[in-house]
Amino acid sequence: AQSVTQLGSHVSVSEGALVLLRCNYSSSVPPYLFWYVQYPNQGLQLLLKYTSAATLVKGINGFEAEFKKSETSFHLTKPSAHMSDAAEYFCAVTPSSGGYNKLIFGAGTRLAVHP
Amino acid sequence: EAGVTQFPSHSVIEKGQTVTLRCDPISGHDNLYWYRRVMGKEIKFLLHFVKESKQDESGMPNNRFLAERTGGTYSTLKVQPAELEDSGVYFCASGRGGSGANVLTFGAGSRLTVL
Repeated sequence: AQSVTQLGSHVSVSEGALVLLRCNYSSSVPPYLFWYVQYPNQGLQLLLKYTSAATLVKGINGFEAEFKKSETSFHLTKPSAHMSDAAEYFCAVTPSSGGYNKLIFGAGTRLAVHP
Repeated sequence: EAGVTQFPSHSVIEKGQTVTLRCDPISGHDNLYWYRRVMGKEIKFLLHFVKESKQDESGMPNNRFLAERTGGTYSTLKVQPAELEDSGVYFCASGRGGSGANVLTFGAGSRLTVL
């Protein structure tokens, strides 16, 4: 069965510091991978997605993620954190075969950004 | 375009009562999904509609949960009778048809608290 592991339920960084949120997946077939973000009182918003094209994927708000098949990882990074990045982040996977989006989510990582 | 709308945003009921959650997807999105997040754990798939038909309901916890999508527009998720373990946030998402990594648009969620 597929699964997604997000290392660290809480991550705290200083404003301007590097943001690194870790995601590892298990999948029997090459997957599609996603990062979603949830700001307070809002829905899940897509940050970026990997669909077997370029392994380095750029998303919104300066975030990017790199698909590493050998490490079964899809870590999310941002060079310089902003206070507005404080939110909960979810990594998700769906098999590229299947025909529809039955997303499997990780448990989420709450990012805190302090001055 | 308008997003995915869910209501109520928060519902507090007692054990044994009934609650109905509603989701209005983006107009024209044939695919509608329900997910649930319990106690800060993973967001888990509940079921998937294509228009008015249930495509996959493998994630529904038990027969106390009933989902409908009459006419292929909005959907309701009824919990009857509610139990303590049903507390959590229920997310609805919609997307266009077809295979591949179609992006899902999520609502803000309906938080259910069962006392």
